[in-house]
Amino acid sequence: QVQLQESGPGLVKPSETLSLTCAVSGYSVSSGYYWGWIRQPPGKGLEWIGSFFHSGNTYYNPSLKSRVTISVDTSRNHFSLKLSSVTAADTAVYYCARLPYYYDDTDSYGGAFDIWGQGTMVTVSS
Amino acid sequence: EIVLTQSPATLSLSPGERATLSCRASQSVSSYLAWYQQKPGQAPRLLIYDASSRATGIPVRFSGSGSGTDFTLTISSLVPEDFAVYYCQQRSNWPLLSFGGGTKVEIK
Repeated sequence: QVQLQESGPGLVKPSETLSLTCAVSGYSVSSGYYWGWIRQPPGKGLEWIGSFFHSGNTYYNPSLKSRVTISVDTSRNHFSLKLSSVTAADTAVYYCARLPYYYDDTDSYGGAFDIWGQGTMVTVSS
Repeated sequence: EIVLTQSPATLSLSPGERATLSCRASQSVSSYLAWYQQKPGQAPRLLIYDASSRATGIPVRFSGSGSGTDFTLTISSLVPEDFAVYYCQQRSNWPLLSFGGGTKVEIK
């Protein structure tokens, strides 16, 4: 079955760049689907960070767009998140997830995250 | 930007009771709304997509309804593992996505 696993530093200093990787097993990211990143500050709700299609198109939350980069490494079957100029407000659990989305001549379907990684906590602090 | 408002913030119910959770959009999202369940320390779990389609393996006691700006997640008869936080998410302005603030269903 498809599994996702986030990894990266648990502590990042203010003004530096947060870098996380999502390793995918059981499916090749280059074969299809959208994939995405979501975060959740402690005790708060979910925030969509961004998504990409297997062909390479990327889409970002407008509130984070100037600081976010999502990229994919098909040779390692993983995708990455970089968030620059971090502050304490970026402290959160970061999740990666699969995002099925389909469309035909009449409508579109899906657009919800159906498989999630376990999440990784990132704290921004000096 | 489409804002999703969930109500109530907290719902206190007993096992066996019916839970009705609301998600209201700031503008029409057609039927492009999903629901998730999240338990403490766990990743969210997809329950419903496209307003009323149950995700794989989701029990029939979970149902979604609504279109336009008003949506409802109903749990017909609560069992102990249903006490959790529930989030809605819209995809109306695909590929931009957004989530609601969540409703906590707690044991009364």
